Amino acid sequence: KAGVTQTPRYLIKTRGQQVTLSCSPISGHRSVSWYQQTPGQGLQFLFEYFSETQRNKGNFPGRFSGRQFSNSRSEMNVSTLELGDSALYLCASSEGVTQYFGPGTRLLVL
Amino acid sequence: AQSVTQPDIHITVSEGASLELRCNYSYGATPYLFWYVQSPGQGLQLLLKYFSGDTLVQGIKGFEAEFKRSQSSFNLRKPSVHWSDAAEYFCAVVTQGGSEKLVFGKGTKLTVNP
Repeated sequence: KAGVTQTPRYLIKTRGQQVTLSCSPISGHRSVSWYQQTPGQGLQFLFEYFSETQRNKGNFPGRFSGRQFSNSRSEMNVSTLELGDSALYLCASSEGVTQYFGPGTRLLVL
Repeated sequence: AQSVTQPDIHITVSEGASLELRCNYSYGATPYLFWYVQSPGQGLQLLLKYFSGDTLVQGIKGFEAEFKRSQSSFNLRKPSVHWSDAAEYFCAVVTQGGSEKLVFGKGTKLTVNP
């Protein structure tokens, strides 16, 4: 099976803009989770979607949102970008407890 | 709240030497435990996992980990390190009860000297 794919791999934005990241899970996986990775805070959970419903949410401001489509593909959106949003955004899919990660999207906010 | 501690931020070993990376967790019950590895600029690759049963679990790339309930530990080991093992290693725990949210340690960066 193909692994988790994320697009785009790299992104440069300026403060105040918004960005949408995409994640395609492993075929058959219905759960998709998003994580933010920064040198200072490490890996932090953003949210989890299961069958198009947000099942869990981390401690991030409302500027961070997501959704899941009927084919399990997921997008996350960050509005009004801040410099501190520069990070590696990782998507993981699972069918059960074990999560499998994509390569990530590297976002740089200038 | 659940937490994971990886006491060693950076470890350096020589190629061919043995390796042990430490991980301690804080959780009321037995959690689901994982080790992931991340090469520079890459995503996380699952090395191994523990759910229940035999406390010594085998993973990919010659890694193993041992769950010790009395010490709330899940240490990762490898008998002989290869230069390609240089990467960052993350221990993680999943909270039980319906939603699978991974809680990660801060990671241990492994450097391998030739």
